[in-house]
Amino acid sequence: GQQVMQIPQYQHVQEGEDFTTYCNSSTTLSNIQWYKQRPGGHPVFLIQLVKSGEVKKQKRLTFQFGEAKKNSSLHITATQTTDVGTYFCAGPPGGSYIPTFGRGTSLIVHP
Amino acid sequence: EAEVAQSPRYKITEKSQAVAFWCDPISGHATLYWYRQILGQGPELLVQFQDESVVDDSQLPKDRFSAERLKGVDSTLKIQPAELGDSAMYLCASSLTGTGVGETQYFGPGTRLLVL
Repeated sequence: GQQVMQIPQYQHVQEGEDFTTYCNSSTTLSNIQWYKQRPGGHPVFLIQLVKSGEVKKQKRLTFQFGEAKKNSSLHITATQTTDVGTYFCAGPPGGSYIPTFGRGTSLIVHP
Repeated sequence: EAEVAQSPRYKITEKSQAVAFWCDPISGHATLYWYRQILGQGPELLVQFQDESVVDDSQLPKDRFSAERLKGVDSTLKIQPAELGDSAMYLCASSLTGTGVGETQYFGPGTRLLVL
């Protein structure tokens, strides 16, 4: 079955440093979604990318979808303590509507 | 802003007991999902409903888990008997139609289950 891998599993940064998490799928994805889960909270939708090579920005967050639609990345510029949480990518394999979630990358920001 | 409601928020039970979780999706959302999230992992889909019908329950351990959405609105997930390995967060999510590619899922706050 489809596997969605995320690296790194954890990332410690000093406040103000940049952060990147990578998502790789074993199969081509219809689209990729990114969610953020705060400690003790539930996943909250951030964004969806659909087109090959697509890049979207949300303030300090930049999301990319690979040309082959099998990988994606999330980059945060100048992290803040409010960025703390686990970032999940999720993507349905081609022909499916159900996204498979990666294991997530936990971001820890030290003030 | 409309939200997905879940109860209880926390549940402690002993193994071999029965537990039940309730979810009320966002009004008008046809599709409802139940996920299990083990600590340190991503959500894993257990069952998907389209209105009152089960669309996908391939990952639901049917020997002990059951789910229903009788009137196509709220839903109940039951575990009987509970086992130690069932300790996890159980998340409910809903989406508008469930048939659009990459349709946004809105998650509820979850029920954190601890089996002793």
